[in-house]
Amino acid sequence: DQQVKQNSPSLSVQEGRISILNCDYTNSMFDYFLWYKKYPAEGPTFLISISSIKDKNEDGRFTVFLNKSAKHLSLHIVPSQPGDSAVYFCAASARWAGGTSYGKLTFGQGTILTVHP
Amino acid sequence: GAVVSQHPSRVICKSGTSVKIECRSLDFQATTMFWYRQFPKQSLMLMATSNEGSKATYEQGVEKDKFLINHASLTLSTLTVTSAHPEDSSFYICSGWSGLNTEAFFGQGTRLTVV
Repeated sequence: DQQVKQNSPSLSVQEGRISILNCDYTNSMFDYFLWYKKYPAEGPTFLISISSIKDKNEDGRFTVFLNKSAKHLSLHIVPSQPGDSAVYFCAASARWAGGTSYGKLTFGQGTILTVHP
Repeated sequence: GAVVSQHPSRVICKSGTSVKIECRSLDFQATTMFWYRQFPKQSLMLMATSNEGSKATYEQGVEKDKFLINHASLTLSTLTVTSAHPEDSSFYICSGWSGLNTEAFFGQGTRLTVV
């Protein structure tokens, strides 16, 4: 049962354009969402997060949008740069449950982003 | 962000042997360590949660006798894959969490290949 889904295995964009990565979730208990960037043979690096009480969070070139009613979130990268090429994972947690649920993450399958010069 | 150091980054072992993977939190105290596994082209799947000084909690379908987790101190947790088989070949990643209002931080991962 895949509770967090990234339905696009890959995305290719031109340098300078916007990259939009999508993520859907099914578990209504999730109240905190994160995006990670990962290179091969390395651990994930935290990018940006959003709490369910918000619908948008912005950090530099990265913006995450959350649509709770649709159980959908997206990561926008603008402008995209070749160095952004990596695998992007969406993750979710149920922080309201407290304890170790705070750091316990459920991941999507990942989307390979390729930014062409 | 905080640093979690994971070793080894890559290991090849023979079928039937055991392999130990270490994760150290270098600049914070990880009261909780999460261990994940990633098979090729799949997502990271949580295997177990360990709190310092207590027994690990394993996710459904993960054999606790095969994947031994020790979290004896606030800065070190180990995962031992016992009697490894080729199907255990995977990418194993730990993440450390301090229990405060912060994110969990990931190690670099370990690529295990059992031949």
